[in-house]
Amino acid sequence: EVQLVESGGGLVQPGGSLRLSCAASGFTFSSYEMNWVRQAPGKGLEWVSYISSSGSTIYYADSVKGRFTISRDNAKNSLYLQMNSLRAEDTAVYYCAFGGWSTYYFDYWGQGTLVTVSS
Amino acid sequence: EIVMTQSPATLSVSPGERATLSCRASQSVSSNLAWYQQKPGQAPRLLIYGASTRATGIPARFSGSGSGTEFTLTISSLQSEDFAVYYCQQYNNWPLVAFGQGTKVEIK
Repeated sequence: EVQLVESGGGLVQPGGSLRLSCAASGFTFSSYEMNWVRQAPGKGLEWVSYISSSGSTIYYADSVKGRFTISRDNAKNSLYLQMNSLRAEDTAVYYCAFGGWSTYYFDYWGQGTLVTVSS
Repeated sequence: EIVMTQSPATLSVSPGERATLSCRASQSVSSNLAWYQQKPGQAPRLLIYGASTRATGIPARFSGSGSGTEFTLTISSLQSEDFAVYYCQQYNNWPLVAFGQGTKVEIK
């Protein structure tokens, strides 16, 4: 069974940093492209970042470019999101997600981890 | 940037009735559109991709249609477990995929 388990969320002050992790199991992690998608409280979904299976290709939404860094460790079956210079508008549940059959849409999601940016 | 607009924001439907949800793209996305269902406290669940292909395990009462800029998700006979928020997502402009703001289907 595919499992994605996010961790690392919490309360952080504006300007602070946080590192999210996503532990993957039940599939060959190194074969799949991965994404981070976030959802602000009571709001819709926003794609944040993409990383190819090898880690060689990375994309970011404009809203986080230059502040967030996605990475992966295929030996540890783990995906990461380093978040720096956090803003109040980064407050959201962060999901890791991937498409089992396609790069473009997501049929596997974690349960999410909440990041709250507030003083 | 492609903007996805869903309507209505909230749809009140009685169990057993049909629900029709709309999603409009600000420019053509061909058939590169997916639909998701999200229940409170849960992650989204993929329902439809390619505008009209049901994902694995999705009941036949869910159907998608449309192409270009206008799309529809139809739930033919609402069951109690179908009351949720539904999102469309374009992936024509990958990697800059974009979601709509959601339609909440509530019990009438």
